Amino acid sequence: GIQVEQSPPDLILQEGANSTLRCNFSDSVNNLQWFHQNPWGQLINLFYIPSGTKQNGRLSATTVATERYSLLYISSSQTTDSGVYFCAANNAGNMLTFGGGTRLMVKP
Amino acid sequence: DAGVIQSPRHEVTEMGQEVTLRCKPISGHNSLFWYRQTMMRGLELLIYFNNNVPIDDSGMPEDRFSAKMPNASFSTLKIQPSEPRDSAVYFCASSFQGATEAFFGQGTRLTVV
Repeated sequence: GIQVEQSPPDLILQEGANSTLRCNFSDSVNNLQWFHQNPWGQLINLFYIPSGTKQNGRLSATTVATERYSLLYISSSQTTDSGVYFCAANNAGNMLTFGGGTRLMVKP
Repeated sequence: DAGVIQSPRHEVTEMGQEVTLRCKPISGHNSLFWYRQTMMRGLELLIYFNNNVPIDDSGMPEDRFSAKMPNASFSTLKIQPSEPRDSAVYFCASSFQGATEAFFGQGTRLTVV
């Protein structure tokens, strides 16, 4: 099946800083999603982005399907952005495979 | 829509007992997934249903685990007998046709003592 790798595994930011999280995948994808797992364990949908660029407030994402990677941008980070960010992808099998996550801590 | 609904939110049980986790997918979604999250293994897919039929259960760890989807609005994941290593957060997710955006429930935190 498809392999999904995320980097960096851990990230510490000062409030107000910008960051870029990366997701590499091993095969062509039908679906690619970014999630935020908050400190209460909920998986929050951020982006459904098998290709192209999307923006939602301070967050944006870009997927370059031909080069098999996706980027999540966080601008002007806030303490509430802390948590774990997951990338997940699927191809013909239709089953989302998750990366290992990026654990983000934003300090006030 | 209320989203994917899982119950219970928390379950503490003794080793050897039967545990049943429940999931109600989003209305209109025809694909349902059960995932397990642990510190050691991250988020791993256990089983995938499409139109109430199990399509891939290769992630089910062993025969102690079973899952059913008797209708489009309900699924169960059963562990019998439970063991301490089954302690994890179990998530249910649903989507339309499998390849579209998936939405997750709030999870069931299972502790087996």
